[in-house]
Amino acid sequence: DQQVKQNSPSLSVQEGRISILNCDYTNSMFDYFLWYKKYPAEGPTFLISISSIKDKNEDGRFTVFLNKSAKHLSLHIVPSQPGDSAVYFCAATWIYNQGGKLIFGQGTELSVKP
Amino acid sequence: KAGVTQTPRYLIKTRGQQVTLSCSPISGHRSVSWYQQTPGQGLQFLFEYFSETQRNKGNFPGRFSGRQFSNSRSEMNVSTLELGDSALYLCASSPAGGRGELEQYFGPGTRLTVT
Repeated sequence: DQQVKQNSPSLSVQEGRISILNCDYTNSMFDYFLWYKKYPAEGPTFLISISSIKDKNEDGRFTVFLNKSAKHLSLHIVPSQPGDSAVYFCAATWIYNQGGKLIFGQGTELSVKP
Repeated sequence: KAGVTQTPRYLIKTRGQQVTLSCSPISGHRSVSWYQQTPGQGLQFLFEYFSETQRNKGNFPGRFSGRQFSNSRSEMNVSTLELGDSALYLCASSPAGGRGELEQYFGPGTRLTVT
């Protein structure tokens, strides 16, 4: 049972444009969401997070939007840069989770073309 | 601060053997989690340790086990290796307590190949 889904395995965007990566979840108990970026041969790197009491969180070029009623979140990267090319994972968990369990989506490979 | 380190980075083992992977968390981090990444299943949670105690466990068979030492370093062990255990094993650490505990910092992983 895939509780966190990223339905687009890949996305290609032109440099300078907006990249939008999407993520859906099924478990309504999730109340904290995270995005990670992963380059080949490296571990995932934490990007940005959002709790369920918010619907938006910004950090520089990265903004995460949360739509609880649709059980959907998205990551916007503006403007996109070639160095953003990587695999992006969304993850979900519970704020009062004792035991560090993140539930990950399958990942979306972003390619930003110069 | 040094990041999460994992050793070895690459490992080749034969079916039926056992393997031990090591993880050193970021200094001051007391929680260590382990994940398995495969092309078909993505990143899946194995288990988490805090203060030498396993607090949470994913849906993996008993062949997968782990432990944590008093200095927060952690090891995971896989016994009776199967071909399907070939994967990237990732370790992540986080500071204790509060929301910071949710934002895990990953090591580069150990690539295990079982032949």
